[in-house]
Amino acid sequence: AQSVAQPEDQVNVAEGNPLTVKCTYSVSGNPYLFWYVQYPNRGLQFLLKYITGDNLVKGSYGFEAEFNKSQTSFHLKKPSALVSDSALYFCAVRDPGGGNKLTFGTGTQLKVEL
Amino acid sequence: SAVISQKPSRDICQRGTSLTIQCQVDSQVTMMFWYRQQPGQSLTLIATANQGSEATYESGFVIDKFPISRPNLTFSTLTVSNMSPEDSSIYLCSVMAGPSSYNEQFFGPGTRLTVL
Repeated sequence: AQSVAQPEDQVNVAEGNPLTVKCTYSVSGNPYLFWYVQYPNRGLQFLLKYITGDNLVKGSYGFEAEFNKSQTSFHLKKPSALVSDSALYFCAVRDPGGGNKLTFGTGTQLKVEL
Repeated sequence: SAVISQKPSRDICQRGTSLTIQCQVDSQVTMMFWYRQQPGQSLTLIATANQGSEATYESGFVIDKFPISRPNLTFSTLTVSNMSPEDSSIYLCSVMAGPSSYNEQFFGPGTRLTVL
């Protein structure tokens, strides 16, 4: 079975500071990993994904994520946070050997303050 | 990326009634997915809908409660039957960007359902 954990319900950061949103996963094989963002009253937007290759992947809006196989983690990062980054972030995993089911974490609310 | 629309965007319904949610995609896709997002919670997959075959339901979800239609490659409906307040959620339609499992999924704007 595949699963995702987002240990922080909320992350607060000051604008201009770096941000990290944590994610750990569990799958039986090599994972496909995804990050999504949900703004209030809007659907989910895809940010980035890791499939294979370089452990650091870059995505939309200046976000990046680092895949760490030994720690089974896929933390989302941004060097300099903006107030407009405030939203709900979801990590998701798909086990390539388990069909196309995408399993989501519980979400982390990011609040960026001036 | 696919553009996905859902109707209605929101509704308030009475206990015991049913609501059908429509999902329209601007391109042909093999698989469509229906998710539920309960208040303050994560997304849970209800079922996968393939054109020309019956939907595949996840554990905890049954066809009698959530019947799904998939008449063609751009359209699907999800019905929430015999509703109770516990069905109050956001229901999201989703499609994959391509046929391979490494493709990301795109999501519709969601249908916010409140059951009184």
